[in-house]
Amino acid sequence: SQQGEEDPQALSIQEGENATMNCSYKTSINNLQWYRQNSGRGLVHLILIRSNEREKHSGRLRVTLDTSKKSSSLLITASRAADTASYFCATDPNNAGNMLTFGGGTRLMVKP
Amino acid sequence: EAQVTQNPRYLITVTGKKLTVTCSQNMNHEYMSWYRQDPGLGLRQIYYSMNVEVTDKGDVPEGYKVSRKEKRNFPLILESPSPNQTSLYFCASSLGGTGYNEQYFGPGTRLTVT
Repeated sequence: SQQGEEDPQALSIQEGENATMNCSYKTSINNLQWYRQNSGRGLVHLILIRSNEREKHSGRLRVTLDTSKKSSSLLITASRAADTASYFCATDPNNAGNMLTFGGGTRLMVKP
Repeated sequence: EAQVTQNPRYLITVTGKKLTVTCSQNMNHEYMSWYRQDPGLGLRQIYYSMNVEVTDKGDVPEGYKVSRKEKRNFPLILESPSPNQTSLYFCASSLGGTGYNEQYFGPGTRLTVT
C-alpha cells in the first residue's frame, strides 16, 4: 500500500513560474525524502527532511514538513523546462530503516 | 563514477522462461533493494537486503527471488515469469538502511513477458 500520496497528480506551468507539489502520508516518520524521475529513467534523490525540521532548502527547491498534518510540500521556484519530470515523496513507513514507500508521484510539465 | 548498473536494460521473454536481472553498485553500499514501477500503482518494493547474505521481502515479493552473495551485487530472479510481471524494474542502493540515507537508483530494466 502507498504510504504517501502526492497532489496534484499532474501539473502544467510556464517556465519561470513556481511549482508546488504536496505529499500526505499515513504513519509517523523519522524523515521524508523527495525524488525526481525523468521519463522512464531511474529516480534521483533531491532532498531529505527530518521529522524535527520544518523547512529545508536546496538551490531552487524548498521543502516543508508538517508532522501534525502528516504532510510535506515541495516548491520549485523559477521553474525551467529541464524541471519537467515526475516527483515522488518517500518515507520509511515502519521507521525500521529497511523499507521505503513511495507515493504515486506528481507529473510536472514546464512549458518553455 | 559512482553508479548502480542494471542489465539488461530491455528484455522481452515468454511465460515460464527463467530470467535474471543483474544489479551492481560500486559505492560499497550495504543496503540494496528492488522495485517495480507500474502505471497507476507507483513504485513498489519487491525485496531488499541490509547486507551480504541478509535479504527480506518487500511489499510485492511473490514470483521473485533474490540473493546477496557479494556486497556489490543483488540479482533479481524470476523463476517462472508471467505476464503480470511485465513492468519497469529498478535496483537501488544506499550506504545504510532507508532511515536517513538517500537511495541511488539504477537506470531501470523494462521487462515484457508474453
